[in-house]
Amino acid sequence: AQTVTQSQPEMSVQEAETVTLSCTYDTSESDYYLFWYKQPPSRQMILVIRQEAYKQQNATENRFSVNFQKAAKSFSLKISDSQLGDAAMYFCAYRRIPYAGGTSYGKLTFGQGTILTVHP
Amino acid sequence: KAGVTQTPRYLIKTRGQQVTLSCSPISGHRSVSWYQQTPGQGLQFLFEYFSETQRNKGNFPGRFSGRQFSNSRSEMNVSTLELGDSALYLCASSLGDDTYEQYFGPGTRLTVT
Repeated sequence: AQTVTQSQPEMSVQEAETVTLSCTYDTSESDYYLFWYKQPPSRQMILVIRQEAYKQQNATENRFSVNFQKAAKSFSLKISDSQLGDAAMYFCAYRRIPYAGGTSYGKLTFGQGTILTVHP
Repeated sequence: KAGVTQTPRYLIKTRGQQVTLSCSPISGHRSVSWYQQTPGQGLQFLFEYFSETQRNKGNFPGRFSGRQFSNSRSEMNVSTLELGDSALYLCASSLGDDTYEQYFGPGTRLTVT
């Protein structure tokens, strides 16, 4: 079974600074998807960034970028120029590639989350 | 385009009762997945429906069930509620087979007393 581990229960950063959130995962699959989701307090979860395992290039979305190390099974999220609105719980998630007749449809496996605090 | 909606947003039930939660996916999305979120267990996958068929199921007891209607709206039901069922229940929708992006609703906060 796949597992996702976020070893940092809490992180904090000063506004305008850079912070990196860590995530490791365990899988025997060679192709899969990885995601970072953001869940602000009392607000719904939104997708921050995604990475396809077959792509060597690290994904970037504006101030958010990832460091994907497939061999090490590591997938960290870097937030540059942190803003107060970045404060949230961040979840790393894994998804197998679904195939016809398989049992991986829809299932995201999440880490335990990292609470990010942004100080003004 | 409207996002994923879930009703009700908050619910208080008594142990032993049953409850039904509803999820309306984004228009055009045919897949709906359900998750349970608790402080202790985190986010856990319940099941996924596509075109009215359950394609995947997580490790939850049979008290947890769901269904999907022809308009892709989905419901999940929990029978014989236990205190440990208190959680935030999230649903997520996606287009279906070849897409991997899931869009989450705001959740239903269920409290069992």
